[in-house]
Amino acid sequence: DSGVTQTPKHLITATGQRVTLRCSPRSGDLSVYWYQQSLDQGLQFLIQYYNGEERAKGNILERFSAQQFPDLHSELNLSSLELGDSALYFCASSASWTVVETQYFGPGTRLLVL
Amino acid sequence: ILNVEQSPQSLHVQEGDSTNFTCSFPSSNFYALHWYRWETAKSPEALFVMTLNGDEKKKGRISATLNTKEGYSYLYIKGSQPEDSATYLCAFPYNDMRFGAGTRLTVKP
Repeated sequence: DSGVTQTPKHLITATGQRVTLRCSPRSGDLSVYWYQQSLDQGLQFLIQYYNGEERAKGNILERFSAQQFPDLHSELNLSSLELGDSALYFCASSASWTVVETQYFGPGTRLLVL
Repeated sequence: ILNVEQSPQSLHVQEGDSTNFTCSFPSSNFYALHWYRWETAKSPEALFVMTLNGDEKKKGRISATLNTKEGYSYLYIKGSQPEDSATYLCAFPYNDMRFGAGTRLTVKP
């Protein structure tokens, strides 16, 4: 158990809908990262937050947004969902913002868009 | 395009064999290289963060080396066990975190 929690574990929804994925980092960690793993692609970095501020952005679609709250938990909002958004979404956390810190992954949320 | 390449794509070994695989990354703008172990139906587990050229890190039977000048890192597993079966990923932080496609290791009893 990495200490990173994600909810829900599974999510089934329809095209055009909006969902919110939630992540709680390890105690004391200030950075949260979101990743997407689709069937036909490897692990893709979406976005990083550090202490409430956006720190780095990857291949995140405009339909997706994220935020990190004062208690350091983070939410990833996915809207106008398409079939291709079906994927495993991981959250990871690390102690600080630097790239030399170990990242600890949560168990993931499996999203299925029908 | 910044690519992180891993080879081989998959590897099948017998229990007790030692094995190694490679991660290649751009040698310029190096900050760190991350290695992860990812078992099926689980989430990636951090193995090492390598930062210094010539660095060698060890965790039990698993070790890794780093050559930042030529842009590669090797991961070694000594005396492979069935529980070592997993996908081993490397990741290179650039503007974002770039992951290789992984090496899928299967250890047969």
